[in-house]
Amino acid sequence: AQSVTQLDSQVPVFEEAPVELRCNYSSSVSVYLFWYVQYPNQGLQLLLKYLSGSTLVKGINGFEAEFNKSQTSFHLRKPSVHISDTAEYFCAVSDRGGATNKLIFGTGTLLAVQP
Amino acid sequence: SAVISQKPSRDICQRGTSLTIQCQVDSQVTMMFWYRQQPGQSLTLIATANQGSEATYESGFVIDKFPISRPNLTFSTLTVSNMSPEDSSIYLCSVDWTGSITEAFFGQGTRLTVV
Repeated sequence: AQSVTQLDSQVPVFEEAPVELRCNYSSSVSVYLFWYVQYPNQGLQLLLKYLSGSTLVKGINGFEAEFNKSQTSFHLRKPSVHISDTAEYFCAVSDRGGATNKLIFGTGTLLAVQP
Repeated sequence: SAVISQKPSRDICQRGTSLTIQCQVDSQVTMMFWYRQQPGQSLTLIATANQGSEATYESGFVIDKFPISRPNLTFSTLTVSNMSPEDSSIYLCSVDWTGSITEAFFGQGTRLTVV
């Protein structure tokens, strides 16, 4: 069965510093990969997704992620964070062309940006 | 993107009672999903609701506890029945237009507290 591991439950970082949020998945088939962001008391918003093609994916708010098939990873990066980036970030995976079309989520990483 | 409206946004309910959560989308969609996000945890898929057919429930979720209706292509309800404090969670509605989970959008969620 698919699973998603977000290795860090919380990542504290100072404003304007770079950040990387780690995500690894386990799947024996080709996958779609996603990062979602959840601001306090709000629903989920899609940050970026990898479907096919270039392994470096750029999303909203200056975030990007790189798909690494050999390491089954999809780490999220931002070169310079802002206070407004403080939120919960969820990595998710779905089987490409799967019959169930389900999203499997990781446990989330709280990005805490400090001034 | 789409506008997904969930009602209520939050509620405090007595144990043993039931709550029906509504999800309204501003355009027709084939696939609708209901998720649960327990405090401090990730999202877990409860069921997939397609119009004109019975909802498909994930392991650990049953229709008697979480009955779902999908009367048309823009609306769905999830009922949390015979509630206990363990049902205190955020419940989120999600929709996907593509049929391949590559473009999923989420509602703001319903924050349920059972006392």
